[in-house]
Amino acid sequence: RKEVEQDPGPFNVPEGATVAFNCTYSNSASQSFFWYRQDCRKEPKLLMSVYSSGNEDGRFTAQLNRASQYISLLIRDSKLSDSATYLCVVMEGSARQLTFGSGTQLTVLP
Amino acid sequence: DGGITQSPKYLFRKEGQNVTLSCEQNLNHDAMYWYRQDPGQGLRLIYYSQIVNDFQKGDIAEGYSVSREKKESFPLTVTSAQKNPTAFYLCATRDRGEYQETQYFGPGTRLLVL
Repeated sequence: RKEVEQDPGPFNVPEGATVAFNCTYSNSASQSFFWYRQDCRKEPKLLMSVYSSGNEDGRFTAQLNRASQYISLLIRDSKLSDSATYLCVVMEGSARQLTFGSGTQLTVLP
Repeated sequence: DGGITQSPKYLFRKEGQNVTLSCEQNLNHDAMYWYRQDPGQGLRLIYYSQIVNDFQKGDIAEGYSVSREKKESFPLTVTSAQKNPTAFYLCATRDRGEYQETQYFGPGTRLLVL
């Protein structure tokens, strides 16, 4: 069983659409939660942390449900520049290592 | 400029050859990590170091070695014992942050076997 599972995608949406990504994690002791964005052939870049109370950064909203071990990312008013792979990530252990989902590919179409 | 640098960007390895990937940071972060990414897969942890002169194996350490003689540097050697080394290698550092710890990545090295 994968430790972090994401929607397989790919998601192809028109500009202006709202799109949601979901993720589940298996380690209930996971400490911190993140969404990273990875462009083709580039390194992952931190998009946002995810907090239990839910948090928003512009068009992006992240939610965490610790009881269900579920994380989500909502992107509103999609832009062409949002096209990328979105990685669900949990931080765990004394080493604060990151465990990654395999990513969900998003393509925003004109 | 502050940040994490990795070199080279592309590296070609011949059969039976050891190669070393460089990772340097000037962020003054204590912890550094090496991850490997294969196509269509998430990143997997190879080695990590939480402090100078100390490092620990991650989930897929076989065929790799590291050193941490300086805070700024955490080189990764891919040995001939690593039978499937072709991958995208990413170095990261951990920022303790005011509210939460996060990891930031260097630009990566693509290793190809000839």
